[in-house]
Amino acid sequence: GAVVSQHPSRVICKSGTSVKIECRSLDFQATTMFWYRQFPKKSLMLMATSNEGSKATYEQGVEKDKFLINHASLTLSTLTVTSAHPEDSSFYICSASPDGRYRDTGELFFGEGSRLTVL
Amino acid sequence: GNSVTQMEGPVTLSEEAFLTINCTYTATGYPSLFWYVQYPGEGLQLLLKATKADDKGSNKGFEATYRKETTSFHLEKGSVQVSDSAVYFCALRSNYQLIWGAGTKLIIKP
Repeated sequence: GAVVSQHPSRVICKSGTSVKIECRSLDFQATTMFWYRQFPKKSLMLMATSNEGSKATYEQGVEKDKFLINHASLTLSTLTVTSAHPEDSSFYICSASPDGRYRDTGELFFGEGSRLTVL
Repeated sequence: GNSVTQMEGPVTLSEEAFLTINCTYTATGYPSLFWYVQYPGEGLQLLLKATKADDKGSNKGFEATYRKETTSFHLEKGSVQVSDSAVYFCALRSNYQLIWGAGTKLIIKP
């Protein structure tokens, strides 16, 4: 149980276009989901906390208008990279935990990640 | 602030070798500590965890002991297999947020 699925796994787009990445919890509900960005040889950087039915909470230095997050249901959060530029190329990972579990145990379940390449 | 430092990779070993991946942390209070693993083409998975000092987390032959005196949580395995090739991340949880190490790529050669 506790499977998180991310789609697409790889996407290549032209500079200036927008790209949407989906994160789904397949067998549980998650009021909260997390979006990370992973740079080569660097640790995961938390970008934002996605809250179902309300606005996402962004970490310092992350542009809200650049990285749009929508958490429309208890099983789906989307990250849209708007007007993408080559410097946005990265590995984006989402995570979630069955409601209550993260707060109690700290355990998170991760999607497979999405590799974005902006040409 | 809170931080996690783990050894840089890649770490390359032969099958059946002994593995240690070092992880040290800086934190206020008493964080929970985790090791996550990312196999090629898959998402991160929790490998093991420890919630208080002297706790030992273990799973799939891997072990790590929460050492408060040395602020460490080193990952060990007595005999590695090719299937253990992956990227390993050490993390701590403080105030409901996970703080991550940079990850260590492990390559096991047959």
